[in-house]
Amino acid sequence: AQKVTQAQTEISVVEKEDVTLDCVYETRDTTYYLFWYKQPPSGELVFLIRRNSFDEQNEISGRYSWNFQKSTSSFNFTITASQVVDSAVYFCALKYSGAGSYQLTFGKGTKLSVIP
Amino acid sequence: EAQVTQNPRYLITVTGKKLTVTCSQNMNHEYMSWYRQDPGLGLRQIYYSMNVEVTDKGDVPEGYKVSRKEKRNFPLILESPSPNQTSLYFCASSSHIGTGESDTQYFGPGTRLTVL
Repeated sequence: AQKVTQAQTEISVVEKEDVTLDCVYETRDTTYYLFWYKQPPSGELVFLIRRNSFDEQNEISGRYSWNFQKSTSSFNFTITASQVVDSAVYFCALKYSGAGSYQLTFGKGTKLSVIP
Repeated sequence: EAQVTQNPRYLITVTGKKLTVTCSQNMNHEYMSWYRQDPGLGLRQIYYSMNVEVTDKGDVPEGYKVSRKEKRNFPLILESPSPNQTSLYFCASSSHIGTGESDTQYFGPGTRLTVL
């Protein structure tokens, strides 16, 4: 069975601080995808990144960066110089990448509050 | 614009009154899915469909029905809603299920349902 754990339920930071959101996953599959989604206060779910299990390169997109470490089954998300607009609930998710797969397993989310 | 739409966005109803939440996508995606989001429980899958006329149960299907008569539409039906179905509902779609890079799930804006 697949499982995604986001141990941090809520985090508060002051604007311009860096913050890392943790994601630890469990799977028996050898090929899989990992995702991060953002849910702002308006409620929609916004796709941020997909990472293939074969690709352990870290990725940076502006102030966002992701650290994928297969050895520790972690896919952590760092926001540099946080802004108030980053306040949201962030979900990490896992999906088997084989043919016929469908199940997207979500963590329970981390609520990030960025205080001005 | 590529998108997943849901209607209605907000609905207050009473116990036992049948309702349908519509979901439509314009990306020609094969795969569609319904999730519910509840505080402390994260997102849980209700039903999914891998193509027209192919549907299957997710983790929490009790009390729900779905149909997939057309590729673009995947309505969620509550035949006899109960208060424990009060939740935030998301529809999602994706293409190339498990066969390549493009199986990121894109989510609709959500439907907030209250059953009194």
